[in-house]
Amino acid sequence: GQQLNQSPQSMFIQEGEDVSMNCTSSSIFNTWLWYKQDPGEGPVLLIALYKAGELTSNGRLTAQFGITRKDSFLNISASIPSDVGIYFCAGQPGGADGLTFGKGTHLIIQP
Amino acid sequence: EAQVTQNPRYLITVTGKKLTVTCSQNMNHEYMSWYRQDPGLGLRQIYYSMNVEVTDKGDVPEGYKVSRKEKRNFPLILESPSPNQTSLYFCASSWTGGNGYTFGSGTRLTVV
Repeated sequence: GQQLNQSPQSMFIQEGEDVSMNCTSSSIFNTWLWYKQDPGEGPVLLIALYKAGELTSNGRLTAQFGITRKDSFLNISASIPSDVGIYFCAGQPGGADGLTFGKGTHLIIQP
Repeated sequence: EAQVTQNPRYLITVTGKKLTVTCSQNMNHEYMSWYRQDPGLGLRQIYYSMNVEVTDKGDVPEGYKVSRKEKRNFPLILESPSPNQTSLYFCASSWTGGNGYTFGSGTRLTVV
């Protein structure tokens, strides 16, 4: 199947810092999604992107759908302790296709 | 409350003993899917279903079966579990193939 390269694999940051993570693919996606997973729970959708070049915010989170349709990034501004968790990108080639997930970015925040 | 319900949350079983993990959604979603999550490998799709009686293989279908006799239910069946199927399993559903999956809380399976 298709693969997404998500980086970094993990991040150790101080509370209040900004965070940036990204995903790249060798093939085109028509939808990019970003999820967050808290310990012991299933992933929860944060932001969905449907158009190349689209920039979307959800509170302190901002994500962009790359112009080439082969990449996406997620930024978190002014991190707080509850931002801790695993963040996954996911791409969908077409409307009837399933999602392909990146391997996740593990965010750890030091107070 | 709109949700995807998986049962059981935790399961320890022995090699070769058939088991079923149930998944049910109350949102009338057409699309349902099973994923397994392993350290360092992320979420990998096992099987998915576009609608009732329509199922298809994902990226790692070997050793698993599914059925979709009703819209709301999508059970995952392991006919003869093996230790390499020890994993965290998630069921998910959505209106279409990708927009806004809703995930269940997961089933942690250990096969000894």
